[in-house]
Amino acid sequence: DTGVSQDPRHKITKRGQNVTFRCDPISEHNRLYWYRQTLGQGPEFLTYFQNEAQLEKSRLLSDRFSAERPKGSFSTLEIQRTEQGDSAMYLCASSPRVAKDNEQYFGPGTRLTVT
Amino acid sequence: KQEVTQIPAALSVPEGENLVLNCSFTDSAIYNLQWFRQDPGKGLTSLLLIQSSQREQTSGRLNASLDKSSGRSTLYIAASQPGDSATYLCAGGSYNTDKLIFGTGTRLQVFP
Repeated sequence: DTGVSQDPRHKITKRGQNVTFRCDPISEHNRLYWYRQTLGQGPEFLTYFQNEAQLEKSRLLSDRFSAERPKGSFSTLEIQRTEQGDSAMYLCASSPRVAKDNEQYFGPGTRLTVT
Repeated sequence: KQEVTQIPAALSVPEGENLVLNCSFTDSAIYNLQWFRQDPGKGLTSLLLIQSSQREQTSGRLNASLDKSSGRSTLYIAASQPGDSATYLCAGGSYNTDKLIFGTGTRLQVFP
C-alpha cells in the first residue's frame, strides 16, 4: 500500500494555458475524490468517481474543468484557459468501500500557481 | 448551506499542555466526522474517523468525540509536543452526499 500519489506536485503556468493533473489512488480503492484548497481555507469538494463513473460534480467545477477516470484506476483533472483564481492546492483522495462511513485518504496535493 | 466551523482559528501553547479543538456543524445530515492534520504546503493526514455508530475514537495522545444531537465534535490532544504543530481540520460526511465538508481549520503552534 503506497498511498495516494499526485503528479506534478507543483505547477506554474501562465493565464490562459491548459493544465492537467494526475492522481493515482490506493490500489483497490474504488472511490476517488478531487478537492480544491485555497490559502487559509479548508478543502472544497469538486467531484468524485466510483470506479469509472463520475457520480457528483460541485458547482465549483465550471465548464473549464473536466475530470476523468477512464479505467477506474488513476484519474486526471484538466483545467482549460486557466485564470488567476484557479491558483490553489488540488487534492485527491481515495476510499476503499462503497458503504457509508468510508475513510478518505489524501494525497500530497498539486499546488497550482497561475501567473 | 452546509457549514462546519472550527474554534479557535489559531492556538499557541507551551509544550506539555492538554488541548481541546472544537468543531461544530449545522447540517443535521452529517453522520460521521474525520479529523485531519495538515503541515504547511502538504496534503492531509487522517488522524481519526468517528463512524456513524460511534461517539468517540482514540489514537495515542488523541481523542475525538462526536455529538450529532448538538452538532459538535472535539479533538483532545494530551501532553502536547512541538511536533504537534500543524493545522487541524475536521470534516463531516453527510447522508445526502459522499463528499466531505471541511471546516477552515485550527492552526496550532506548540513551543518548547
